[in-house]
Amino acid sequence: GENVEQHPSTLSVQEGDSAVIKCTYSDSASNYFPWYKQELGKRPQLIIDIRSNVGEKKDQRIAVTLNKTAKHFSLHITETQPEDSAVYFCAASNGGNTPLVFGKGTRLSVIA
Amino acid sequence: SAVISQKPSRDICQRGTSLTIQCQVDSQVTMMFWYRQQPGQSLTLIATANQGSEATYESGFVIDKFPISRPNLTFSTLTVSNMSPEDSSIYLCSCNGGATYPGELFFGEGSRLTVL
Repeated sequence: GENVEQHPSTLSVQEGDSAVIKCTYSDSASNYFPWYKQELGKRPQLIIDIRSNVGEKKDQRIAVTLNKTAKHFSLHITETQPEDSAVYFCAASNGGNTPLVFGKGTRLSVIA
Repeated sequence: SAVISQKPSRDICQRGTSLTIQCQVDSQVTMMFWYRQQPGQSLTLIATANQGSEATYESGFVIDKFPISRPNLTFSTLTVSNMSPEDSSIYLCSCNGGATYPGELFFGEGSRLTVL
């Protein structure tokens, strides 16, 4: 089955700097790659996703890139703000009715 | 998108007891998924619940410990049986986004269980 590896496990950045989180996956059939943000005590919330027919997607300060050949995808957050501090999870699936397999998470701390 | 109401939001339970978590979706969905999130950990899939058939469990999870019901297309329950402190976790139900949001998962608010 699918296996998703995520790095780093913790990341501290100064406010205004960029943050990058990387994930690799094992199943070449996976074609859907979402990123979730989880604040303390809350449910995971989808922040951005990408499908295998595109290589990059951007939404304001957040972008995701996908390299299907290398089986890795990354989350980029620019101009970080203290409210970006949370745990971020990458995930993968082959879409449709299949469940997501999650990475282990990255705890991002943005220092003001 | 789908809105999922999950309850209880939290509970403190005694060792050896069982607790049932309920999830209600505001629309009909084909598949529902139950995840466990142990303290400081990621989300681990417990089982997939399809209406009209028995749930499919992931390795390490068994029906006797985590019985699941899926009586219709908008509702599911997960029971955590004969609880021990190791079962202290957040349990999350989720559903897929269907044809509108293929692959995307929508989550309930989670049930935080503490077993003493």
